[in-house]
Amino acid sequence: EAGVAQSPRYKIIEKRQSVAFWCNPISGHATLYWYQQILGQGPKLLIQFQNNGVVDDSQLPKDRFSAERLKGVDSTLKIQPAKLEDSAVYLCASSFRTSGDQETQYFGPGTRLLVL
Amino acid sequence: QQQVKQSPQSLIVQKGGISIINCAYENTAFDYFPWYQQFPGKGPALLIAIRPDVSEKKEGRFTISFNKSAKQFSLHIMDSQPGDSATYFCAAYNFNKFYFGSGTKLNVKP
Repeated sequence: EAGVAQSPRYKIIEKRQSVAFWCNPISGHATLYWYQQILGQGPKLLIQFQNNGVVDDSQLPKDRFSAERLKGVDSTLKIQPAKLEDSAVYLCASSFRTSGDQETQYFGPGTRLLVL
Repeated sequence: QQQVKQSPQSLIVQKGGISIINCAYENTAFDYFPWYQQFPGKGPALLIAIRPDVSEKKEGRFTISFNKSAKQFSLHIMDSQPGDSATYFCAAYNFNKFYFGSGTKLNVKP
């Protein structure tokens, strides 16, 4: 079974530039998550999709961050304009509900963003 | 407010020793508690998970102990190996949302 795919793996940009990340979840996984992981911290949820609908985007800085999941499959996360504090690893994850009625979550390798 | 508190922040264990990482939570509605292992440059990977109706779950050298009344759960790594050196995250889940601890960096000395 193929895992969660993310690209690019690394990105260096200057502040005020824009950047976009792409995620392709595991086939059949209805739920897709974007997390921000700052060095030395746990993943922080930015946005969660159920199919192509947004379930939770309460912690997404909507003045600069946007995300979409067209057709309920792959997803893009965009930052425009980027700030220095956006330097982090952006993790995409997807999940499915097991027969025990719990979500099993799988993470991609992440995109490491450095904003200069 | 941090939903899941994890300790210690870092841990050094000799090869063959027992590594213990602790997590505590407040929300009694959480109904699923996974642990993730993350190597540098990789995404977190599910290691082992438990539901609150079970007090202990063991998979190989990894064991979760769960204390529902104390709202605490812990990961025990028996016979720790240098290959176990990684960052470990606990998490709690309810209502379609995962809440992560801050992580524990484990270093197993040969």
